[in-house]
Amino acid sequence: GNSVTQMEGPVTLSEEAFLTINCTYTATGYPSLFWYVQYPGEGLQLLLKATKADDKGSNKGFEATYRKETTSFHLEKGSVQVSDSAVYFCALTLTGNQFYFGTGTSLTVIP
Amino acid sequence: GAGVSQTPSNKVTEKGKYVELRCDPISGHTALYWYRQSLGQGPEFLIYFQGTGAADDSGLPNDRFFAVRPEGSVSTLKIQRTERGDSAVYLCASTRSGGTEAFFGQGTRLTVV
Repeated sequence: GNSVTQMEGPVTLSEEAFLTINCTYTATGYPSLFWYVQYPGEGLQLLLKATKADDKGSNKGFEATYRKETTSFHLEKGSVQVSDSAVYFCALTLTGNQFYFGTGTSLTVIP
Repeated sequence: GAGVSQTPSNKVTEKGKYVELRCDPISGHTALYWYRQSLGQGPEFLIYFQGTGAADDSGLPNDRFFAVRPEGSVSTLKIQRTERGDSAVYLCASTRSGGTEAFFGQGTRLTVV
């Protein structure tokens, strides 16, 4: 089947620390991969995406590389800010008919 | 509209009652999705519309759940004989034709007491 597994939180970091949130996937075909972010009190927003192997998605200083050999799409940021505090969801879709989401990782950045 | 709009934002209902949740997608988006998100979990797929028809309803948990999109725009998720286990945030998303970027509404928080 199709599924996404992401590291459990919560994650607490100091401002300017390096962030990694792990995401691995299982898919019956060749998926597109996404990171969505949910800021407090807001809806899910697309953060970045990658549609094929070795693609790197990037946005707002966040990056993730589609690794087919390890079936991974880990989210990274070199220097987090307090405003990055949110819940992050890794997701995949094969056809656009269904999106499969991970359980989410809560990030809190403290000054 | 500017974004996906869901109403109501909160709904409290008694066990056994019927509820309707509304989703107004981004204008021109042909695909519409309903998801359910329980506390501490990621969104779980319920149903997907392409135009007016339900292209995939495999995520609906049972026959108490039903959704319609009669004119290919606004959609209504209907839940009959609500149970406490139906309590969750119900999310709606839409995409343009052929697109994979899903735009989500802020959700309807349903509480069954």
